[in-house]
Amino acid sequence: LAKTTQPISMDSYEGQEVNITCSHNNIATNDYITWYQQFPSQGPRFIIQGYKTKVTNEVASLFIPADRKSSTLSLPRVSLSDTAVYYCLVGPNLSGGYNKLIFGAGTRLAVHP
Amino acid sequence: GAVVSQHPSRVICKSGTSVKIECRSLDFQATTMFWYRQFPKKSLMLMATSNEGSKATYEQGVEKDKFLINHASLTLSTLTVTSAHPEDSSFYICSAREQGASNEQYFGPGTRLTVT
Repeated sequence: LAKTTQPISMDSYEGQEVNITCSHNNIATNDYITWYQQFPSQGPRFIIQGYKTKVTNEVASLFIPADRKSSTLSLPRVSLSDTAVYYCLVGPNLSGGYNKLIFGAGTRLAVHP
Repeated sequence: GAVVSQHPSRVICKSGTSVKIECRSLDFQATTMFWYRQFPKKSLMLMATSNEGSKATYEQGVEKDKFLINHASLTLSTLTVTSAHPEDSSFYICSAREQGASNEQYFGPGTRLTVT
């Protein structure tokens, strides 16, 4: 399973754009990249998932370069409620099966007034 | 989106007793469910993969006789912490993958276990 590396913590201010980059040098050809958000004492919440190039939904964008060895989660105009831990994960696998998701340390984002 | 529930949300038990935690997929059938534990300010650690109708697959270092997992139906998996000790106090989280779908795991809200 590919290991992920992301910054331990980040600070930002309300209204700013936040970009969190994750490296996954050993990602397999068939693996997706998935980002989750977790608030204290809650289960992780799915944010976005992609395979290549750019994916955008109502809450975030995910940028994946051609070599797929890294990915960047972009949160536009963060608010205080975006303070949480963000996890970058490699998987699931395109071919399906019940491949497990292994969580790394995550990035603890603190948004300040 | 799909909903996964856990019961109870928090439980306090005495050392030496057993505690059962339920994980249910409410609006979809889950062929596979996963159990994680999380200590304060730490990441989620995968404990085991639970497959409907078969034995669970445990991660290295997780005692299968201590953490009993049963996945009797496509909507229910249970984790039983046997002979609980204070060091088993943790946040236990389950997730479920929808049968036939491959891309997303849905996580439960977690269960806070405190062993006194």
